[in-house]
Amino acid sequence: EAEVAQSPRYKITEKSQAVAFWCDPISGHATLYWYRQILGQGPELLVQFQDESVVDDSQLPKDRFSAERLKGVDSTLKIQPAELGDSAMYLCASSPNRGSPLHFGNGTRLTVT
Amino acid sequence: AQSVTQLGSHVSVSEGALVLLRCNYSSSVPPYLFWYVQYPNQGLQLLLKYTSAATLVKGINGFEAEFKKSETSFHLTKPSAHMSDAAEYFCAVSLSGNQFYFGTGTSLTVIP
Repeated sequence: EAEVAQSPRYKITEKSQAVAFWCDPISGHATLYWYRQILGQGPELLVQFQDESVVDDSQLPKDRFSAERLKGVDSTLKIQPAELGDSAMYLCASSPNRGSPLHFGNGTRLTVT
Repeated sequence: AQSVTQLGSHVSVSEGALVLLRCNYSSSVPPYLFWYVQYPNQGLQLLLKYTSAATLVKGINGFEAEFKKSETSFHLTKPSAHMSDAAEYFCAVSLSGNQFYFGTGTSLTVIP
């Protein structure tokens, strides 16, 4: 079964440094989501893409976070500068069409020291 | 705005006992509803989904959920808990089919 690929699995960085996460959705899935999951909580949407266009980034802290999906396939989420409060699991998910469930990758566990 | 409430952040059951995890949603129209399971340091895996075809939905690993419009509920059940069911469970709702909102999760412990 096709999977959503994410890398790295784990990342430790110092505060004020830059960090980037990569996601490759299931082939053919037009919609791609980045979620942040703080320990003990549910996932919270950061940004949603439809093909290469951002359709919802209302919860993305745009002063430090950026996301792109240039060719409408894989995507990169960047944080610069990282803050202690950014420590969390960053999950990527994709969906083929409206009403279909999300397919999640295994996430990137970020620790900011 | 849509919201999802999962009652009970922690649930413990004995192996072989009934599992009941509660989920209530707030929406004026029946939304798409989902249950996901998450094991430590992994992503979320779909257990089952409700998309208005039938009110009782069967999923993987012996889980099922019943959509009750009058109670705005979508509780997850399993007749007999297994040790491998120990995990975090999330209820999710989508009205548009494109935007998903997750509950805060219920951690299930299975006691041998």
